[in-house]
Amino acid sequence: AQSVAQPEDQVNVAEGNPLTVKCTYSVSGNPYLFWYVQYPNRGLQFLLKYITGDNLVKGSYGFEAEFNKSQTSFHLKKPSALVSDSALYFCAVRAHTGGFKTIFGAGTRLFVKA
Amino acid sequence: ETGVTQSPTHLIKTRGQQVTLRCSSQSGHNTVSWYQQALGQGPQFIFQYYREEENGRGNFPPRFSGLQFPNYSSELNVNALELDDSALYLCASSLAGDEQYFGPGTRLTVT
Repeated sequence: AQSVAQPEDQVNVAEGNPLTVKCTYSVSGNPYLFWYVQYPNRGLQFLLKYITGDNLVKGSYGFEAEFNKSQTSFHLKKPSALVSDSALYFCAVRAHTGGFKTIFGAGTRLFVKA
Repeated sequence: ETGVTQSPTHLIKTRGQQVTLRCSSQSGHNTVSWYQQALGQGPQFIFQYYREEENGRGNFPPRFSGLQFPNYSSELNVNALELDDSALYLCASSLAGDEQYFGPGTRLTVT
């Protein structure tokens, strides 16, 4: 069965420090992987995606993510966190088994302290 | 370019009633997906429509049904509402299932 795990409910980091939000997945075939962000009182926004090619993908607002096939992981990273990065982050995988479906993780809340 | 819009914003229904939620896709997008998001949880995939045909479905009962129209707008219908159906319902449009662009959601409360 397809699944996405975000093992941390919350990540706390100081402004200026690097941040990592973890994601692991389980899916048949080649995964299409996505990160989305949900700011308070705003809708879900696309951050970045991995379809194929280079394992390090760059996205919006300085975020990047590294696809690791052997560890089935797709961790979200940023070299230097900003207070404005504080939000709810969702990892998602698109699967195609008996039809298309997109499976989201439970989300990780990121707090960046000034 | 117009983003994804949803109506209504909020809705209160009684258990056993039926509800229809509406979504207008982003211009140029031919795929729409619907999600249910309970408080504090990630979005749960309900189904996806591509060019007016359902081409993917999550673990939701048949009383959750949908339509996609030739202009790629969409409806989510829920029959025989239950208390557990209370949630935020999100619509997302995309081009052939690539990255999705979400609407603001419809908050449904079932009493």
